[in-house]
Amino acid sequence: SQQGEEDPQALSIQEGENATMNCSYKTSINNLQWYRQNSGRGLVHLILIRSNEREKHSGRLRVTLDTSKKSSSLLITASRAADTASYFCATDDGAGSYQLTFGKGTKLSVIP
Amino acid sequence: DTAVSQTPKYLVTQMGNDKSIKCEQNLGHDTMYWYKQDSKKFLKIMFSYNNKELIINETVPNRFSPKSPDKAHLNLHINSLELGDSAVYFCASKPGAGQETQYFGPGTRLLVL
Repeated sequence: SQQGEEDPQALSIQEGENATMNCSYKTSINNLQWYRQNSGRGLVHLILIRSNEREKHSGRLRVTLDTSKKSSSLLITASRAADTASYFCATDDGAGSYQLTFGKGTKLSVIP
Repeated sequence: DTAVSQTPKYLVTQMGNDKSIKCEQNLGHDTMYWYKQDSKKFLKIMFSYNNKELIINETVPNRFSPKSPDKAHLNLHINSLELGDSAVYFCASKPGAGQETQYFGPGTRLLVL
């Protein structure tokens, strides 16, 4: 069954603006990950945040996690045209199943 | 030097045919996966193998049969293809227990006519 739900489904911004994407999930998790998928390509891992962490940074990416609300957000600062892609959150329930459950993704378009 | 590779990249076939998709990873990872991504971009896990042993088999028709000849390969065979099987199939791998990041292949675009 689907775990994550990204919001919005699609987002269009101008280059240089910040982009914020949200993810909600249903069950308890061990960690939450964000992946990027460029058109016609496979998914690429961006960042992982563990259930005992609240915020994490990696370059222009900032991820927050609120386990009480079962939600996460991905912020991309100073967006570039190359950031145009679909972004997916994925949750790991840590039950030893090695399984990630993906959301439906947010399609981000950055206009030069 | 592709880390996770899949062949073929595109596959167009008729309903009722049998086809295989191959996946190889040169990362030395223990765990490999097959995912199906539908036209709405929803990504759903199908199978997972750890050290050549099946550990996840989601609700997938038994027309789909994974085979792992060794730790570096996980192939997907599909019998009696149906229109609804049209999708993009992704192979992925990860190092093993305690290592959560997955590495994805480029995908195989299957179109059943």
